[in-house]
Amino acid sequence: AQSVTQLGSHVSVSEGALVLLRCNYSSSVPPYLFWYVQYPNQGLQLLLKYTSAATLVKGINGFEAEFKKSETSFHLTKPSAHMSDAAEYFCAVSVDEDNDMRFGAGTRLTVKP
Amino acid sequence: NAGVTQTPKFRVLKTGQSMTLLCAQDMNHEYMYWYRQDPGMGLRLIHYSVGEGTTAKGEVPDGYNVSRLKKQNFLLGLESAAPSQTSVYFCASGRRQPQHFGDGTRLSIL
Repeated sequence: AQSVTQLGSHVSVSEGALVLLRCNYSSSVPPYLFWYVQYPNQGLQLLLKYTSAATLVKGINGFEAEFKKSETSFHLTKPSAHMSDAAEYFCAVSVDEDNDMRFGAGTRLTVKP
Repeated sequence: NAGVTQTPKFRVLKTGQSMTLLCAQDMNHEYMYWYRQDPGMGLRLIHYSVGEGTTAKGEVPDGYNVSRLKKQNFLLGLESAAPSQTSVYFCASGRRQPQHFGDGTRLSIL
């Protein structure tokens, strides 16, 4: 079955610094990959998704992620962190768009002033 | 601007009690999902539905039942609650993958 591993349960950056959240996947077939963000006491919001079109995917709030098949990675980046980016981020994988999506354990991002 | 609404937001149950969590969406989505979120484990899919009258098991279905009698509603039932079901439950809907989530139901089983 497919799975994702998020490296680092907590990441702390300074405001204005680069954000890099790591996600590696395991899948026996070409995957669909997703990043979600969760603010405190809220549900998840879809940030972006990869569905085998362009390998560099742009999402909301200035985030983007690059699919690298050779590294089985789908890392999330943002050039300049903002205080409002503080949240928990989840990477997810599925083998089709319909169901059986598996989530990573999450990475909590802290942004220091 | 409701989106996905979950009822109730909080609940405390005793072991063996039953209850139903309600999820309602107003976006005419075919797909609806129930997840549970536990610390350090991300979200795990309990059951899902690809349309009115259909349901299917997810990754952790044991101890739960669901029904989708109306397109806009997806109910999650616990017939006999157990402490292991203490969790935060999220409902989601979407055209295919889960795109819109509710704010969650915090459920404690004593």
